[in-house]
Amino acid sequence: QSALTQPPSASGSPGQSVTISCTGTSSDVGGYNYVSWYQQHPGKAPKLMIYEVSTRPSGVPDRFSGSKSGNTASLTVSGLQAEDEADYYCSSFAGSNNFVFGTGTKVTVL
Amino acid sequence: QVQLQESGPGLVKPSETLSLTCTVSGGSVNTGSYFWSWIRQSPGKGLQWIGYIYYSGSTYYNPSLKSRFTILVDTAKNQFSLKVNSVTAADTAVYYCARESPTAVSFDYWGQGILVTVSS
Repeated sequence: QSALTQPPSASGSPGQSVTISCTGTSSDVGGYNYVSWYQQHPGKAPKLMIYEVSTRPSGVPDRFSGSKSGNTASLTVSGLQAEDEADYYCSSFAGSNNFVFGTGTKVTVL
Repeated sequence: QVQLQESGPGLVKPSETLSLTCTVSGGSVNTGSYFWSWIRQSPGKGLQWIGYIYYSGSTYYNPSLKSRFTILVDTAKNQFSLKVNSVTAADTAVYYCARESPTAVSFDYWGQGILVTVSS
Protein backbone atom coordinates (compact mmCIF):
# COMPACT_ATOMS: atom_id res chain seq x y z
CA GLN A 1 0.00 0.00 0.00
CA SER A 2 1.21 3.52 -0.71
CA ALA A 3 1.14 6.45 1.65
CA LEU A 4 -1.60 8.99 1.11
CA THR A 5 -0.36 12.06 -0.76
CA GLN A 6 -0.19 15.40 1.01
CA PRO A 7 1.51 18.64 -0.06
CA PRO A 8 4.86 19.01 1.73
CA SER A 9 4.07 22.47 2.99
CA ALA A 10 1.34 25.05 3.44
CA SER A 11 1.35 28.47 4.99
CA GLY A 12 -0.80 31.40 5.94
CA SER A 13 -0.75 34.57 7.97
CA PRO A 14 -2.38 34.78 11.40
CA GLY A 15 -6.13 34.95 11.04
CA GLN A 16 -6.11 33.46 7.55
CA SER A 17 -7.19 29.96 6.54
CA VAL A 18 -5.11 27.11 5.20
CA THR A 19 -6.37 23.92 3.60
CA ILE A 20 -4.40 20.70 3.36
CA SER A 21 -5.32 17.96 0.93
CA CYS A 22 -4.90 14.21 1.39
CA THR A 23 -5.25 12.09 -1.72
CA GLY A 24 -5.65 8.36 -1.70
CA THR A 25 -7.54 5.77 -3.70
CA SER A 26 -10.91 4.09 -3.75
CA SER A 27 -9.38 1.42 -1.49
CA ASP A 28 -8.78 3.84 1.35
CA VAL A 29 -9.91 7.48 1.41
CA GLY A 30 -12.57 7.03 -1.24
CA GLY A 31 -13.86 3.76 0.12
CA TYR A 32 -14.53 4.66 3.73
CA ASN A 33 -15.60 7.66 5.78
CA TYR A 34 -12.79 6.93 8.19
CA VAL A 35 -10.30 9.68 7.52
CA SER A 36 -8.57 11.20 10.55
CA TRP A 37 -6.13 14.07 10.95
CA TYR A 38 -3.26 14.44 13.42
CA GLN A 39 -1.26 17.47 14.53
CA GLN A 40 2.35 16.94 15.51
CA HIS A 41 4.56 19.58 17.06
CA PRO A 42 8.34 19.02 16.93
CA GLY A 43 9.47 16.30 19.28
CA LYS A 44 5.93 15.52 20.37
CA ALA A 45 3.49 12.73 19.76
CA PRO A 46 0.73 13.22 17.20
CA LYS A 47 -2.60 14.53 18.49
CA LEU A 48 -5.96 13.54 17.03
CA MET A 49 -7.69 16.59 15.56
CA ILE A 50 -10.40 15.14 13.30
CA TYR A 51 -11.92 11.67 12.93
CA GLU A 52 -14.55 10.16 10.65
CA VAL A 53 -13.74 12.81 8.03
CA SER A 54 -15.21 15.78 9.88
CA THR A 55 -15.77 15.07 13.59
CA ARG A 56 -13.74 16.98 16.16
CA PRO A 57 -12.81 15.28 19.43
CA SER A 58 -13.69 17.13 22.59
CA GLY A 59 -11.28 19.99 23.21
CA VAL A 60 -10.24 20.57 19.60
CA PRO A 61 -11.08 24.13 18.52
CA ASP A 62 -13.80 24.53 15.91
CA ARG A 63 -11.23 26.35 13.77
CA PHE A 64 -10.31 22.86 12.57
CA SER A 65 -12.65 21.26 10.07
CA GLY A 66 -12.50 18.31 7.73
CA SER A 67 -14.20 17.22 4.54
CA LYS A 68 -13.94 14.64 1.79
CA SER A 69 -14.74 14.43 -1.90
CA GLY A 70 -14.05 11.24 -3.78
CA ASN A 71 -10.53 10.02 -3.07
CA THR A 72 -9.38 13.32 -1.53
CA ALA A 73 -9.88 14.50 2.02
CA SER A 74 -9.10 17.98 3.28
CA LEU A 75 -8.32 19.67 6.56
CA THR A 76 -9.00 23.38 6.90
CA VAL A 77 -7.58 25.49 9.68
CA SER A 78 -9.42 28.79 9.92
CA GLY A 79 -8.27 31.82 11.87
CA LEU A 80 -4.68 30.60 11.92
CA GLN A 81 -2.86 31.03 15.19
CA ALA A 82 0.82 30.74 16.00
CA GLU A 83 0.24 27.49 17.89
CA ASP A 84 -1.18 25.88 14.75
CA GLU A 85 2.31 25.77 13.26
CA ALA A 86 3.03 22.05 13.16
CA ASP A 87 3.13 19.00 10.95
CA TYR A 88 -0.23 17.53 9.98
CA TYR A 89 -0.86 13.94 8.93
CA CYS A 90 -3.98 12.38 7.51
CA SER A 91 -4.81 8.73 7.98
CA SER A 92 -7.40 6.46 6.43
CA PHE A 93 -8.82 3.07 7.16
CA ALA A 94 -7.83 0.87 4.23
CA GLY A 95 -10.03 -2.15 4.86
CA SER A 96 -9.28 -5.50 6.48
CA ASN A 97 -7.95 -3.98 9.70
CA ASN A 98 -5.39 -1.88 7.89
CA PHE A 99 -4.50 1.79 8.12
CA VAL A 100 -2.44 4.11 5.95
CA PHE A 101 -1.01 7.51 6.84
CA GLY A 102 -0.32 10.51 4.66
CA THR A 103 3.08 11.88 3.77
CA GLY A 104 2.63 14.85 6.07
CA THR A 105 2.31 18.61 5.60
CA LYS A 106 4.29 21.25 7.43
CA VAL A 107 2.08 24.24 8.19
CA THR A 108 3.88 27.52 8.71
CA VAL A 109 2.23 30.56 10.23
CA LEU A 110 3.84 33.54 8.55
CA GLN B 1 -7.35 10.09 31.51
CA VAL B 2 -5.68 7.26 29.63
CA GLN B 3 -1.89 7.43 29.42
CA LEU B 4 0.46 5.26 27.42
CA GLN B 5 4.21 4.97 27.99
CA GLU B 6 6.73 3.19 25.80
CA SER B 7 9.82 1.58 27.27
CA GLY B 8 12.74 -0.41 25.95
CA PRO B 9 16.31 -0.07 24.72
CA GLY B 10 17.25 2.93 22.67
CA LEU B 11 19.98 1.10 20.77
CA VAL B 12 19.78 -2.25 19.04
CA LYS B 13 22.44 -3.98 16.95
CA PRO B 14 21.69 -5.01 13.36
CA SER B 15 20.23 -8.52 12.98
CA GLU B 16 19.08 -8.55 16.63
CA THR B 17 15.53 -8.32 18.00
CA LEU B 18 13.99 -5.01 19.01
CA SER B 19 11.61 -5.33 21.98
CA LEU B 20 9.38 -2.53 23.24
CA THR B 21 6.67 -2.42 25.87
CA CYS B 22 3.75 -0.03 26.22
CA THR B 23 2.32 0.41 29.70
CA VAL B 24 -1.25 1.68 29.88
CA SER B 25 -2.54 3.63 32.88
CA GLY B 26 -5.93 5.19 33.53
CA GLY B 27 -7.58 2.47 31.50
CA SER B 28 -7.46 -1.25 30.84
CA VAL B 29 -6.15 -3.16 27.84
CA ASN B 30 -8.50 -5.96 28.92
CA THR B 31 -11.52 -4.43 27.26
CA GLY B 32 -13.23 -5.10 24.01
CA SER B 33 -13.63 -1.40 23.42
CA TYR B 34 -10.24 -0.67 21.87
CA PHE B 35 -7.35 -1.94 19.82
CA TRP B 36 -3.79 -1.33 20.99
CA SER B 37 -1.46 -0.16 18.27
CA TRP B 38 2.15 0.39 17.32
CA ILE B 39 3.08 3.16 14.91
CA ARG B 40 6.57 4.28 13.92
CA GLN B 41 8.15 7.36 12.41
CA SER B 42 11.55 7.20 10.74
CA PRO B 43 13.75 10.28 11.29
CA GLY B 44 12.36 13.19 9.32
CA LYS B 45 9.73 10.98 7.74
CA GLY B 46 6.04 10.26 8.04
CA LEU B 47 4.06 7.86 10.19
CA GLN B 48 3.70 4.16 9.46
CA TRP B 49 1.07 1.95 11.08
CA ILE B 50 2.69 -1.32 12.17
CA GLY B 51 -0.30 -3.16 13.57
CA TYR B 52 -2.59 -3.60 16.54
CA ILE B 53 -3.84 -6.14 19.02
CA TYR B 54 -7.18 -6.79 20.63
CA TYR B 55 -7.49 -7.77 24.29
CA SER B 56 -8.23 -11.33 23.18
CA GLY B 57 -4.83 -11.56 21.54
CA SER B 58 -6.04 -11.20 17.97
CA THR B 59 -3.47 -9.30 15.95
CA TYR B 60 -3.54 -7.40 12.68
CA TYR B 61 -0.46 -6.14 10.87
CA ASN B 62 0.35 -3.76 8.05
CA PRO B 63 0.34 -6.07 5.01
CA SER B 64 3.14 -4.08 3.40
CA LEU B 65 5.53 -4.96 6.20
CA LYS B 66 7.31 -8.26 6.21
CA SER B 67 6.45 -10.73 8.92
CA ARG B 68 9.20 -9.58 11.28
CA PHE B 69 6.77 -7.86 13.62
CA THR B 70 4.95 -9.44 16.56
CA ILE B 71 2.54 -7.70 18.92
CA LEU B 72 1.55 -9.30 22.20
CA VAL B 73 -0.71 -8.26 25.08
CA ASP B 74 -0.26 -8.91 28.80
CA THR B 75 -3.58 -8.12 30.44
CA ALA B 76 -2.23 -8.92 33.93
CA LYS B 77 0.37 -6.17 33.62
CA ASN B 78 -1.89 -3.89 31.54
CA GLN B 79 0.78 -3.79 28.86
CA PHE B 80 1.25 -4.67 25.25
CA SER B 81 4.51 -5.16 23.41
CA LEU B 82 6.22 -5.11 20.04
CA LYS B 83 9.01 -7.34 18.84
CA VAL B 84 10.85 -6.78 15.57
CA ASN B 85 13.18 -9.53 14.40
CA SER B 86 16.33 -9.16 12.32
CA VAL B 87 16.45 -5.39 12.51
CA THR B 88 18.35 -3.24 10.05
CA ALA B 89 19.15 0.46 9.93
CA ALA B 90 15.82 0.95 8.16
CA ASP B 91 14.08 0.08 11.43
CA THR B 92 15.60 3.14 13.13
CA ALA B 93 12.60 5.23 14.14
CA VAL B 94 10.54 6.72 16.91
CA TYR B 95 8.10 4.04 17.95
CA TYR B 96 4.74 5.11 19.32
CA CYS B 97 2.11 3.03 21.03
CA ALA B 98 -1.43 4.27 20.63
CA ARG B 99 -5.02 3.36 21.37
CA GLU B 100 -7.33 2.85 18.43
CA SER B 101 -11.00 3.46 18.93
CA PRO B 102 -13.01 1.19 16.62
CA THR B 103 -16.05 3.40 16.96
CA ALA B 104 -14.10 6.43 15.75
CA VAL B 105 -11.61 4.42 13.66
CA SER B 106 -8.78 6.66 14.74
CA PHE B 107 -5.88 6.79 17.19
CA ASP B 108 -7.11 8.85 20.12
CA TYR B 109 -4.38 8.43 22.71
CA TRP B 110 -0.64 8.17 22.04
CA GLY B 111 2.46 7.52 24.07
CA GLN B 112 5.27 10.06 23.95
CA GLY B 113 7.32 7.83 21.66
CA ILE B 114 10.69 6.17 22.05
CA LEU B 115 13.60 6.57 19.65
CA VAL B 116 15.20 3.27 18.72
CA THR B 117 18.45 3.38 16.78
CA VAL B 118 19.76 0.32 14.97
CA SER B 119 23.52 0.50 14.86
CA SER B 120 26.52 -1.63 15.65
